[in-house]
Amino acid sequence: GAVVSQHPSWVICKSGTSVKIECRSLDFQATTMFWYRQFPKQSLMLMATSNEGSKATYEQGVEKDKFLINHASLTLSTLTVTSAHPEDSSFYICSASWTGHYEQYFGPGTRLTVT
Amino acid sequence: KQEVTQIPAALSVPEGENLVLNCSFTDSAIYNLQWFRQDPGKGLTSLLLIQSSQREQTSGRLNASLDKSSGRSTLYIAASQPGDSATYLCAVNNNDMRFGAGTRLTVKP
Repeated sequence: GAVVSQHPSWVICKSGTSVKIECRSLDFQATTMFWYRQFPKQSLMLMATSNEGSKATYEQGVEKDKFLINHASLTLSTLTVTSAHPEDSSFYICSASWTGHYEQYFGPGTRLTVT
Repeated sequence: KQEVTQIPAALSVPEGENLVLNCSFTDSAIYNLQWFRQDPGKGLTSLLLIQSSQREQTSGRLNASLDKSSGRSTLYIAASQPGDSATYLCAVNNNDMRFGAGTRLTVKP
């Protein structure tokens, strides 16, 4: 149980375009979803936390207008990287959980390359 | 803010050795601590989750301990194999999950 999927698994886009990444909880209702970013040879850094039906809470230094997060249902959260630049190239990983449960279940990640 | 440190950053051992990876954290008010494995270019594989009330967890050749009061956890790998080569990440959860930088393990045949 507690399976999380991400789509796409990898994406290449041109500088200046926007790209959307989906995170789905397949067998549970995710009241909370988390988005992480991992640059090469570095660890995961939390970008933002989103609760279903509410605005996301962004970590310090993460631009909320650049990384748009929508958590409109209990099984889906999306991360849209707007006006992507090469420095946004990274591995984006989402995780999900539910209220009162203190374990997160991670998706397989999405590798974004901006050319 | 929670800080998580992993030592060593990299480790190379011959096959068959037992080894210990270390993780320390600054805020002991945690819900749980989790060890993950990450292969190059891949996502996370959860290895062991230790709740704050527990002192250790075991799975096969892996044993993780937790000393919450001193802010430390260790991951013990017995009889290491080349297939154990990966980056091992420690993460602590107190509302948010904070990750260490990882230990890159190489097990040589």
